[in-house]
Amino acid sequence: KNEVEQSPQNLTAQEGEFITINCSYSVGISALHWLQQHPGGGIVSLFMLSSGKKKHGRLIATINIQEKHSSLHITASHPRDSAVYICAVRRGETSGSRLTFGEGTQLTVNP
Amino acid sequence: GAGVSQTPSNKVTEKGKYVELRCDPISGHTALYWYRQSLGQGPEFLIYFQGTGAADDSGLPNDRFFAVRPEGSVSTLKIQRTERGDSAVYLCASSLLVNTEAFFGQGTRLTVV
Repeated sequence: KNEVEQSPQNLTAQEGEFITINCSYSVGISALHWLQQHPGGGIVSLFMLSSGKKKHGRLIATINIQEKHSSLHITASHPRDSAVYICAVRRGETSGSRLTFGEGTQLTVNP
Repeated sequence: GAGVSQTPSNKVTEKGKYVELRCDPISGHTALYWYRQSLGQGPEFLIYFQGTGAADDSGLPNDRFFAVRPEGSVSTLKIQRTERGDSAVYLCASSLLVNTEAFFGQGTRLTVV
């Protein structure tokens, strides 16, 4: 079992729909990241969370530390939101500050 | 530069050859990470530098892989005797300090034929 699990693996939506991508993890963490990856490989950091909720434009990220779960929401989705969304955790031990990644959620928003 | 820069963006090499992949982090960032991403999968950790030293190299798959950061800025990932299984996108990220937000480069797509 992966330490970071995302669902769904693939998601297709119509423009304007509200989208939720989920991330569950099984290890202690110091922070959780949501990342966006477009074709060609470039990764952009969307959020870094250690508690609560963050909002940036149409994107909202929440985390529940007790339940080891985070969600990324996109309101009023648009075709330009089509990308792979990746959840990554920074572990809480002192052994390193590496990120452990989920396998990503491929989002396609159709016009 | 304004962001993390990786060169080359694409590299095709023959099996058995030696390759070097370069990462130029954001100026002033002390932490630098290398990750490898195979098709359809999330990135996997390779090595992390704090300054000039490799703080954690436990993700390097074998001794054909080596990375340096001699002056605490630019880093080079070196792969000896490349194998077809080394084909992947190699991603570099940097952060101002350990445990702060990481910024990623565009990656180097390595293809071993």
